[in-house]
Amino acid sequence: NAGVMQNPRHLVRRRGQEARLRCSPMKGHSHVYWYRQLPEEGLKFMVYLQKENIIDESGMPKERFSAEFPKEGPSILRIQQVVRGDSAAYFCASSPSDQETQYFGPGTRLLVL
Amino acid sequence: AQSVTQPDIHITVSEGASLELRCNYSYGATPYLFWYVQSPGQGLQLLLKYFSGDTLVQGIKGFEAEFKRSQSSFNLRKPSVHWSDAAEYFCAVGRGFQKLVFGTGTRLLVSP
Repeated sequence: NAGVMQNPRHLVRRRGQEARLRCSPMKGHSHVYWYRQLPEEGLKFMVYLQKENIIDESGMPKERFSAEFPKEGPSILRIQQVVRGDSAAYFCASSPSDQETQYFGPGTRLLVL
Repeated sequence: AQSVTQPDIHITVSEGASLELRCNYSYGATPYLFWYVQSPGQGLQLLLKYFSGDTLVQGIKGFEAEFKRSQSSFNLRKPSVHWSDAAEYFCAVGRGFQKLVFGTGTRLLVSP
C-alpha cells in the first residue's frame, strides 16, 4: 500500500508565478489535510478537505491560496502570484476518516526567487 | 487556543544513553496528543498517540510517552538511543484527529 504521494518534491518559482502542489492520499483515504512548515518552525495547519468539499480552511491565507480535492484525482494546493514569504515546505496528510490518524507525505519544498 | 511548547530546540545524546524530549501543551479539554519524527528531507512519521486510557503509551522504534494532565505534559522517552534516531521530533495536539497544532520541534543529535 503506497503512502501519501506528493509532487513535485521540489518546486522553484519566480515572484508572481503560480505554484500548484499535488497530493495523492493513501488508498482508501478520503480526508486530506495541508500544512505549511516555514524554516525553523513547526507545521501549521492550512486546510482540511474531503472529496469535493472544504471542511475547514481556517488556516489558509485569505488571498492567493486555494485548495481542492476533486472526486477524481489528487488534491491540489494552488498559490497564485507567489511571493518570497511563500517559500516553505508544504505537507499533505491523509486519513480514512476524521476519527483516525493522519499519515503524512514527504512534502513539497517551494522556493520563490 | 491550543498551543504546544517544545522547550528544547536541540538535544545531543550519546548513543546508548536514555532520552527524554519535553512537550507541554495548552488546551481546554482532553487533548489528543501525538509525537511525530521527521528525518531530513522526509515527511513525518507517527511514533505514538494518546487520547484516552493508560497514560503511558508505547510507540514504534522503542519509544514511549507519558501523559501527565496535572503538568500538561506529554514527554517522549527512549531508554537507549541509536544513531538512527537522529532526526527532528514534533509534538502535536488536537481536539480530535483533525487540525493538529504542532510544536516547533526538537532536533536530536546522537554522538558516538
